[in-house]
Amino acid sequence: AQSVAQPEDQVNVAEGNPLTVKCTYSVSGNPYLFWYVQYPNRGLQFLLKYITGDNLVKGSYGFEAEFNKSQTSFHLKKPSALVSDSALYFCAVRDRPGGYQKVTFGIGTKLQVIP
Amino acid sequence: GAVVSQHPSWVICKSGTSVKIECRSLDFQATTMFWYRQFPKQSLMLMATSNEGSKATYEQGVEKDKFLINHASLTLSTLTVTSAHPEDSSFYICSASSPPSPGQETQYFGPGTRLLVL
Repeated sequence: AQSVAQPEDQVNVAEGNPLTVKCTYSVSGNPYLFWYVQYPNRGLQFLLKYITGDNLVKGSYGFEAEFNKSQTSFHLKKPSALVSDSALYFCAVRDRPGGYQKVTFGIGTKLQVIP
Repeated sequence: GAVVSQHPSWVICKSGTSVKIECRSLDFQATTMFWYRQFPKQSLMLMATSNEGSKATYEQGVEKDKFLINHASLTLSTLTVTSAHPEDSSFYICSASSPPSPGQETQYFGPGTRLLVL
């Protein structure tokens, strides 16, 4: 079975400071990893994904994430936080068997950027 | 990027009535669509997976006779909540997937439909 853990319910960061939202995963095979952002009363917006290749993945809105296989982590990062980044962030994982697309989501981390 | 729409964005209905929610992929053909349910301050819970032209696959604990899913075309899936009750009130989100190449699928999410059953 695959699972995702987001250990922090909420992360507070001052505007302009770097931010990190943590995610660890567990899968039986090689992982597909995703980050999504959700604004209030909205659906999820895709930020970035790791499939293979470079461990540092760059995504939308200046976000990036680093895949660390030994630590089974996929932390989301941004060098300089904006107030508009305040939202709910979901990490997700999928195993990589051919054709099976079920994705497991973490519980979400609320990011609060303080002006 | 790929766009997925949902209609309606919110709906209020009386207990015992049925509600239909549409999910459309606007600029791509979705071989697979997913329906999720999200309770306040909780993560998304997958309800079912539907492939165009075949029966939906429901997750454990989801009543298939209550949550009817139809995926009649490559751009449209519908979720019908039959005989809705107040405990069905939730935020329902669909997603669509179209693989550019095998193993490279990304899910694109609709904006969600908020259902309130009185």
